[in-house]
Amino acid sequence: GQNIDQPTEMTATEGAIVQINCTYQTSGFNGLFWYQQHAGEAPTFLSYNVLDGLEEKGRFSSFLSRSKGYSYLLLKELQMKDSASYLCAAGNYGGSQGNLIFGKGTKLSVKP
Amino acid sequence: DAGVTQSPTHLIKTRGQQVTLRCSPKSGHDTVSWYQQALGQGPQFIFQYYEEEERQRGNFPDRFSGHQFPNYSSELNVNALLLGDSALYLCASSYGNEQFFGPGTRLTVL
Repeated sequence: GQNIDQPTEMTATEGAIVQINCTYQTSGFNGLFWYQQHAGEAPTFLSYNVLDGLEEKGRFSSFLSRSKGYSYLLLKELQMKDSASYLCAAGNYGGSQGNLIFGKGTKLSVKP
Repeated sequence: DAGVTQSPTHLIKTRGQQVTLRCSPKSGHDTVSWYQQALGQGPQFIFQYYEEEERQRGNFPDRFSGHQFPNYSSELNVNALLLGDSALYLCASSYGNEQFFGPGTRLTVL
């Protein structure tokens, strides 16, 4: 079967660091995506990992372990505007692009 | 450079009706995917179009159909609407490993 698991909600304090975990089980895995989605808006691309290891992009970093079916998104120096849902998605290409299997999202609330 | 655009923004229909949603991909993108996002859930893959053909399909009934035009724009059609079809419908265009999402169409079925 295909399954993406991530926590439903998390709370953190402005200026802190938060790690959002994601475990996945898919066939034809071809990369792990993270998206940010503010309420009522479309998902915005944050990161893509296809090889094991850490990818850093400004305040956001994403890690992948293919052998463990595990990824995390690390947000540093949290700002109030980071309050949003964070979606983990596994690429399930099967030879083509674009078929993403999404988790239900982690709603992050950043408190002052 | 315009990103992915979708129309209409909002739509209200009644059960049994048919609806057509439209999507224009980001410039230079030739692949369009459609997703359905119910409230509080992650997006679910409906299907993908490339070179005017349906290339992949998710677990959605035949009531959901689509089309891609030579200019890469795409339509999603849903027939015999059910209350459960109420959702945000997202279009995403891709070229390479990034997928860019449009703002979505909020469909409400009464």
